[in-house]
Amino acid sequence: AQSVTQLDSHVSVSEGTPVLLRCNYSSSYSPSLFWYVQHPNKGLQLLLKYTSAATLVKGINGFEAEFKKSETSFHLTKPSAHMSDAAEYFCVVTSGVAAGNKLTFGGGTRVLVKP
Amino acid sequence: DVKVTQSSRYLVKRTGEKVFLECVQDMDHENMFWYRQDPGLGLRLIYFSYDVKMKEKGDIPEGYSVSREKKERFSLILESASTNQTSMYLCASSLRLDLGEFSYEQYFGPGTRLTVT
Repeated sequence: AQSVTQLDSHVSVSEGTPVLLRCNYSSSYSPSLFWYVQHPNKGLQLLLKYTSAATLVKGINGFEAEFKKSETSFHLTKPSAHMSDAAEYFCVVTSGVAAGNKLTFGGGTRVLVKP
Repeated sequence: DVKVTQSSRYLVKRTGEKVFLECVQDMDHENMFWYRQDPGLGLRLIYFSYDVKMKEKGDIPEGYSVSREKKERFSLILESASTNQTSMYLCASSLRLDLGEFSYEQYFGPGTRLTVT
């Protein structure tokens, strides 16, 4: 079985301050983990992915995430928020073949960036 | 660039109508997926297909069916629309790697917001 929990449904930050989006997962097997972003009226876009290589993963637009097996977490961070980061973010887990090759999505975190 | 297109951005249907949602991808991907997106619930998988004429149930297939007659096209069918099927529907595609492994990077269309009244 696999599941993912995004700990905050909404996050509000000021432009230029750090962003932290929290994600915890559950997986019976070695998971692959992803963060997707959805801007208003747009499809989801892959931000970054972890697939059992380096535990610190760098993505597009200055985002990065760290896989911590002991904490079953995959939190997303960015040092300095930009207005264009206002969007909804989804943490995603898969156990691969063991999960029928299906992805499981978290409930989403909506990010508001204040000027 | 991978492009996944969906036939409508907004759709309004009446209860009991048969509804077709169409999805086309232009990157020769083997795998295609239909999700519904509801606030606070993220995306939930309805059906997916890993080859022409093949389909697999996702987590919430009840009330839906699918059709994949051509590799690039994957249709979602609501046999008799109900108000609890009002939602955003997202189509996605992904590549099948060598030796049958899946690429878990999925490419998404812009979505169809369906309202059933």
